[in-house]
Amino acid sequence: KNEVEQSPQNLTAQEGEFITINCSYSVGISALHWLQQHPGGGIVSLFMLSSGKKKHGRLIATINIQEKHSSLHITASHPRDSAVYICAGRRQWGGSQGNLIFGKGTKLSVKP
Amino acid sequence: GAGVSQSPSNKVTEKGKDVELRCDPISGHTALYWYRQSLGQGLEFLIYFQGNSAPDKSGLPSDRFSAERTGGSVSTLTIQRTQQEDSAVYLCASTPEGTYQETQYFGPGTRLLVL
Repeated sequence: KNEVEQSPQNLTAQEGEFITINCSYSVGISALHWLQQHPGGGIVSLFMLSSGKKKHGRLIATINIQEKHSSLHITASHPRDSAVYICAGRRQWGGSQGNLIFGKGTKLSVKP
Repeated sequence: GAGVSQSPSNKVTEKGKDVELRCDPISGHTALYWYRQSLGQGLEFLIYFQGNSAPDKSGLPSDRFSAERTGGSVSTLTIQRTQQEDSAVYLCASTPEGTYQETQYFGPGTRLLVL
């Protein structure tokens, strides 16, 4: 079992729809990052969460520590939101504190 | 002042040759990370530098891979005797202090193709 699992793997939506991408993670991961990778390959860090909820524009990220689950929501989706969204967990302790453990990504395509 | 920069942006090499990839982190950032993304695959961690501490090399796939960080700033990832499976995008990221709660700032990546 991967330490960070995302779903769905692929997602197609119509412009304007509300989108949810899910991420489950294992014990030992104490911070969750949501990243956005555009078709050109560049990666942008959207959020870092260790508790609660964060909002930036039309993007909302939530995390439930007890359930080890995080969601990324996009409201009023737009074609420019089309990208791969990656969930990544960061260990708080242990031999490899420095690295992110990545989910396989969710490829989102928003149609006009 | 600018973000993380990487060079070259693209590199084509022949199997068996050595390559060096460079990363310039954001000025003042003490932590630096290398990742790679193979075609059709997810991102994977390679190595992590934090200040003057010994680097975390747990993600390096073989002893052909090495990295150093000079003066706590610029880092070089070296791949010796490249193989075709080394073809990937190599990404560098930096953070101010390397704590687990920090946002990571990614460079644009170096696209390596081994023929």
